[in-house]
Amino acid sequence: AQSVTQPDIHITVSEGASLELRCNYSYGATPYLFWYVQSPGQGLQLLLKYFSGDTLVQGIKGFEAEFKRSQSSFNLRKPSVHWSDAAEYFCAVFLSGNTPLVFGKGTRLSVIA
Amino acid sequence: GAGVSQSPSNKVTEKGKDVELRCDPISGHTALYWYRQRLGQGLEFLIYFQGNSAPDKSGLPSDRFSAERTGESVSTLTIQRTQQEDSAVYLCASSSRVNQPQHFGDGTRLSIL
Repeated sequence: AQSVTQPDIHITVSEGASLELRCNYSYGATPYLFWYVQSPGQGLQLLLKYFSGDTLVQGIKGFEAEFKRSQSSFNLRKPSVHWSDAAEYFCAVFLSGNTPLVFGKGTRLSVIA
Repeated sequence: GAGVSQSPSNKVTEKGKDVELRCDPISGHTALYWYRQRLGQGLEFLIYFQGNSAPDKSGLPSDRFSAERTGESVSTLTIQRTQQEDSAVYLCASSSRVNQPQHFGDGTRLSIL
């Protein structure tokens, strides 16, 4: 069973427009949640993480994400997208014990002028 | 070092040859992970180490793949008798604990001719 789902394979937004990338998880308790970004030819960079507490978390590069327990979601948002935000975005969850992070399949973001 | 270092950054080899990929994790990180990423695809988990033991080898695609880790330091991923389908980017990551964010290297791009 897939623990984390990113429903959108590819999203295109205009520069300056707002962005929301979806992430849903399936787990009984609250997992640890992460968003990563991967620019072409590079490894993954951590944008932000949620462990507990305030459900709205701020990250680097102007990104934020909101944990919604009722929807089992952890969507990534940015108010105004820049061309340099074009990349692949991965959501990841830590469930329990010694099981490593489980990554979603990723969402590719394209930014047009 | 400051981050996760992988070498070589690029490797081109002939089908049937053995290759060895190296990963230097962040100093003090006890957990180390290997992933495979085919072109345009998400992350495929291969193996992870806690210290120098590997609790989870479930992702290794075949017995041609093996990995070792010396203490809480360098890891090598070895692919024997390479096949064309082994062509991919191999990413390494490390974390202080398994429930903490993973820090990624830039990967080794492996091309099998």
